[in-house]
Amino acid sequence: EDKVVQSPLSLVVHEGDTVTLNCSYEVTNFRSLLWYKQEKKAPTFLFMLTSSGIEKKSGRLSSILDKKELSSILNITATQTGDSAIYLCAVGYNNNDMRFGAGTRLTVKP
Amino acid sequence: DTGVSQNPRHKITKRGQNVTFRCDPISEHNRLYWYRQTLGQGPEFLTYFQNEAQLEKSRLLSDRFSAERPKGSFSTLEIQRTEQGDSAMYLCASSFRQASNYGYTFGSGTRLTVV
Repeated sequence: EDKVVQSPLSLVVHEGDTVTLNCSYEVTNFRSLLWYKQEKKAPTFLFMLTSSGIEKKSGRLSSILDKKELSSILNITATQTGDSAIYLCAVGYNNNDMRFGAGTRLTVKP
Repeated sequence: DTGVSQNPRHKITKRGQNVTFRCDPISEHNRLYWYRQTLGQGPEFLTYFQNEAQLEKSRLLSDRFSAERPKGSFSTLEIQRTEQGDSAMYLCASSFRQASNYGYTFGSGTRLTVV
């Protein structure tokens, strides 16, 4: 069965900490892995990863895909309270399927 | 506003009533998706349109659910004879080509509460 598993499910840190969120997958005909940030409403796009080992970076956020390990990590350095959100991992596979993980709820305390 | 627009933002309905939600995708996006999200879970796929054709429906979409995209632009999702288990956030997303290659743009969602 195709699945996407994120860990941890929730995480509480203090401002300035660095966090690493994990996403692992088992799907048929993998196409891409996407990270989204969801605050109160709509998920907003962060990264799309298709190639193994190439880091994508945006400010304090970075992500990398490991196709051999069927996983990806999302790193956030020097966390701020505004980083508090649910981080969703989604995997595109087959022709047009996309499956989301349950998300990691990150809480950054001042 | 050129994003994905969903209406209404919130809907409270009594069990057994019918509800209809609307999604207006980004105008040049030909693919439109409906997802359902419950508390503590990631979005679950419901159905997908390419232009006006409904190409895929999840097993989650019981016969009480129907979705249309009559002119290949906006879409509606109707739930008939609502049940308490239908309470969730209903998200619409659109993409220009294959979402697995280009990702989605999500709307803000419609939060349905069935009492």
